[in-house]
Amino acid sequence: AQSVTQPDIHITVSEGASLELRCNYSYGATPYLFWYVQSPGQGLQLLLKYFSGDTLVQGIKGFEAEFKRSQSSFNLRKPSVHWSDAAEYFCAVGARFGGADGLTFGKGTHLIIQP
Amino acid sequence: NAGVTQTPKFRVLKTGQSMTLLCAQDMNHEYMYWYRQDPGMGLRLIHYSVGEGTTAKGEVPDGYNVSRLKKQNFLLGLESAAPSQTSVYFCASQQARYNEQFFGPGTRLTVL
Repeated sequence: AQSVTQPDIHITVSEGASLELRCNYSYGATPYLFWYVQSPGQGLQLLLKYFSGDTLVQGIKGFEAEFKRSQSSFNLRKPSVHWSDAAEYFCAVGARFGGADGLTFGKGTHLIIQP
Repeated sequence: NAGVTQTPKFRVLKTGQSMTLLCAQDMNHEYMYWYRQDPGMGLRLIHYSVGEGTTAKGEVPDGYNVSRLKKQNFLLGLESAAPSQTSVYFCASQQARYNEQFFGPGTRLTVL
């Protein structure tokens, strides 16, 4: 069965510093991968996705992620965080349920931005 | 274009009561999903639908039923609510395979 691990429950970063959120997946075939962001009391918004091709993908809000098959990882990065980036971040892998494609989510990483 | 909407936004039930959550999307998407989100658990798939008139079970289907009578609507029902069903419920829609899912704002349900 597929699974996603986000090793860091909480991460605190100073405003203006760089950010890397870790994501490791387990999946039997070529995965397709997503990063979503959830602000408090809100739904999930897609930051970026990887289906195939270039392993470095660019997303919205200045985020990027790199797919590393050898490490089964899809880490999210941002060179300089802003206070508005404080939120919950979820990594997800595309999964198969009886022919359709649901998503398996990690448990999330809560990002705190220090002034 | 409202995207994915969910009603109600909040609800409190007593154990044993029933209710239906409505999800609507105006993007003409084929696939629709219901997830629940619990603290420290991420999102888990309850049921999904690949088209009008079809539904299937996800990871945590017990205690829930769904219906997709119209392409734009996906209903989630709780016939006899239990405290373990206290959660935030998210609906999502997807145009086709290998596309992103678009999420609604969520319904916060408390079962006393």
